Amino acid sequence: EAGVAQSPRYKIIEKRQSVAFWCNPISGHATLYWYQQILGQGPKLLIQFQNNGVVDDSQLPKDRFSAERLKGVDSTLKIQPAKLEDSAVYLCASRQLGQRDTYEQYFGPGTRLTVT
Amino acid sequence: AQSVTQLDSHVSVSEGTPVLLRCNYSSSYSPSLFWYVQHPNKGLQLLLKYTSAATLVKGINGFEAEFKKSETSFHLTKPSAHMSDAAEYFCVVSRNQAGTALIFGKGTTLSVSS
Repeated sequence: EAGVAQSPRYKIIEKRQSVAFWCNPISGHATLYWYQQILGQGPKLLIQFQNNGVVDDSQLPKDRFSAERLKGVDSTLKIQPAKLEDSAVYLCASRQLGQRDTYEQYFGPGTRLTVT
Repeated sequence: AQSVTQLDSHVSVSEGTPVLLRCNYSSSYSPSLFWYVQHPNKGLQLLLKYTSAATLVKGINGFEAEFKKSETSFHLTKPSAHMSDAAEYFCVVSRNQAGTALIFGKGTTLSVSS
């Protein structure tokens, strides 16, 4: 089966500019996640969707980050305006709906963002 | 609150020798624990998971981990390292009781020399 797709793979922008990332989850996966992975650290959950509803966005910096998942499939993550500290790899993951830990999260290759 | 601590940021082994990557966890309820691996320029891949069944969990590529509640540990081991095992390894705990969201450790870089 096809994996989680993300684009672009790399993006370089200047601070205060805007940027958007796109994610296409594995077909049939109801749950979608966005993570931020800063160099030298583990991924940190930003937001979790179930279908097109937000389940957890407690760690999303809502003053500059936004995300949506229209129609419960693809998702976009936007940063506006970007700061230097937003330089990171943004990972998308998806998971089937099911019992506790029955299904693993499948991760995409990530988008590497550099803010200059 | 849930958290994991990976005790070594970098581990170096020779090919054919045992691997031990250490992880301690903190959880206010019975946790779900995972190990993920990240190879350079590749996506994160699940190695193994513990979800309150057998305390000794076997994963892919010969890796295994043992859940020790008394020591709040979930160390990852492999009897014999292979060059292809060189990667970043993350110990992970579920953020919620449903196990649908994850908290990652800072990672351990495993280097394997010939």
